[in-house]
Amino acid sequence: AQSVSQHNHHVILSEAASLELGCNYSYGGTVNLFWYVQYPGQHLQLLLKYFSGDPLVKGIKGFEAEFIKSKFSFNLRKPSVQWSDTAEYFCAVKSGNNRLAFGKGNQVVVIP
Amino acid sequence: GAVVSQHPSWVICKSGTSVKIECRSLDFQATTMFWYRQFPKQSLMLMATSNEGSKATYEQGVEKDKFLINHASLTLSTLTVTSAHPEDSSFYICSARYSGGGETQYFGPGTRLLVL
Repeated sequence: AQSVSQHNHHVILSEAASLELGCNYSYGGTVNLFWYVQYPGQHLQLLLKYFSGDPLVKGIKGFEAEFIKSKFSFNLRKPSVQWSDTAEYFCAVKSGNNRLAFGKGNQVVVIP
Repeated sequence: GAVVSQHPSWVICKSGTSVKIECRSLDFQATTMFWYRQFPKQSLMLMATSNEGSKATYEQGVEKDKFLINHASLTLSTLTVTSAHPEDSSFYICSARYSGGGETQYFGPGTRLLVL
């Protein structure tokens, strides 16, 4: 079965710092990749997605992610975070079995 | 667009009772709806996938008689936790996908269930 790994569950950083969250998956076939964000007290929202084409994907709120097929990775980045980026971030992968598998999430806290 | 709601947002019930959770797509027709369960500090675990008008497909280890799913219309799916026990206490989240929307799922706000 496919699995999705997110490391460093808790990330604490200051405003204006750069953020990178790692996501690795175990499935070897064609995949659709997603990053979702869950702000405190809110529901999951789609941040960005990759289906095909340019492996560098631009999302909302200044986020981007890069699909590196050889590394089975889809890392999320933001050059300069803001306090409002405090949230939980989930990487998700959909493979041929049509199921969306989620990582355990990264709890990101941005200190003003 | 693509808003999904869940009701109730919070429910507390006694052990042995049944609880129904509704998931609605407010501005689109959801051909497929998904039910997830999330434990504290853990990932979302898919419980079942339901297509409108057909029986739900349950993931391995999920009791279909315990977690009844009905997807009677293109905008509503319900999850009923039958004879709830304290170990069923969890955060239940639904998502929906529409035809032509690709593989993107739109998530509801979740329902917190506490069984006493």
